[in-house]
Amino acid sequence: DQQVKQNSPSLSVQEGRISILNCDYTNSMFDYFLWYKKYPAEGPTFLISISSIKDKNEDGRFTVLNKSAKHLSLHIVPSQPGDSAVYFCAASLDRGSTLGRLYFGRGTQLTVWP
Amino acid sequence: EAEVAQSPRYKITEKSQAVAFWCDPISGHATLYWYRQILGQGPELLVQFQDESVVDDSQLPKDRFSAERLKGVDSTLKIQPAELGDSAMYLCASSYSGTSPYEQYFGPGTRLTVT
Repeated sequence: DQQVKQNSPSLSVQEGRISILNCDYTNSMFDYFLWYKKYPAEGPTFLISISSIKDKNEDGRFTVLNKSAKHLSLHIVPSQPGDSAVYFCAASLDRGSTLGRLYFGRGTQLTVWP
Repeated sequence: EAEVAQSPRYKITEKSQAVAFWCDPISGHATLYWYRQILGQGPELLVQFQDESVVDDSQLPKDRFSAERLKGVDSTLKIQPAELGDSAMYLCASSYSGTSPYEQYFGPGTRLTVT
């Protein structure tokens, strides 16, 4: 059962515009959310994160919003061709021996065209 | 910059054969994770170590998969016998500890193809 869902498998955006990637989750016990970026033939790399008690976190061109129930989004402004990659949303539970375990969505392939 | 090392990068094996993957985490990272990523899906945790101890192997198919981290540093994941459905990317990740902010650093992965 997929507890973290990314319902858009792909997104195409023109360079300079905003990219918005969405993520929904079903487990209300998740307390931390992370976004990872993955290029072909490489492992995922950490991008940005947010605690469940915060509604916004910014890091340069990247902003993660957590303002709706069981929904968060990643905003990239402005989008650049080098941002073209697969973006994974992940969530974590803060309890017990499984502390730190990440639950991933299926990913969204972002393509930024010139 | 310190990185998680994995080998081999690619492995082709026939079904029913044994296969092993190796991972060396970032120095000082006590927590090590093995994930499996099937094409078109996100990574799914197979096993989590805290130092040399397994803390979560609930998703590990224990009839054919085994993992060890004997000295609490590098780790080996083994499959015996391999099945066609095991074809996937096997990712190793490490973190400073299993506590917030849960940021994990991933290696480049091992792409396994079972024929």
